[in-house]
Amino acid sequence: SQTIHQWPATLVQPVGSPLSLECTVEGTSNPNLYWYRQAAGRGLQLLFYSVGIGQISSEVPQNLSASRPQDRQFILSSKKLLLSDSGFYLCAWSVKRGQPQHFGDGTRLSIL
Amino acid sequence: AQSVTQLDSHISVSEGTPVLLRCNYSSSYSPSLFWYVQHPNKGLQLLLKYTSAATLVKGINGFEAEFKKSETSFHLTKPSAHMSDAAEYFCVVSPIYNDMRFGAGTRLTVKP
Repeated sequence: SQTIHQWPATLVQPVGSPLSLECTVEGTSNPNLYWYRQAAGRGLQLLFYSVGIGQISSEVPQNLSASRPQDRQFILSSKKLLLSDSGFYLCAWSVKRGQPQHFGDGTRLSIL
Repeated sequence: AQSVTQLDSHISVSEGTPVLLRCNYSSSYSPSLFWYVQHPNKGLQLLLKYTSAATLVKGINGFEAEFKKSETSFHLTKPSAHMSDAAEYFCVVSPIYNDMRFGAGTRLTVKP
């Protein structure tokens, strides 16, 4: 069966520090991968999606970036965090676009 | 464009009473529709999905939803609420070959 892992579960970072969140999927090949942000009490905002290695589409301009160095690995990064980057970050995968997405347990990011 | 509207941001029910979470969708053709549940500090879990087969869809944990094209609705119901049902619920529309559109969410509170 397929599983998705995100880490870390929680992270506290100072303003201006770099960020690296990692997501890996097991049990499937060539998945579509997604990064979402969920601000407190709000819905999900799609940040990035990827249909293959090295292929990244950005939905929202911001100081975040994403990379997909391997088929089942998706990384969310920032060179300098802002206070507004605080939130709950979720990684998800699907067989293809339009199919149900399956989510990891998320990373709670707090910026001080 | 495809979108969903969740008509209630917060619903409170007593344990053992029925649950109704309302969702209206907008789509130029028959979409796929989903309901997800999110418990605090967790990822989203797929409850059920509609993909143009039976209009009454049964999901996990006793939930079901009915697709009504004439009303462009996909309401989620459960005959008897349990304390463990307290969570955030998201209605999602998925156009063919495009990514999901999430509703703003409905927070369900279950009183003992």
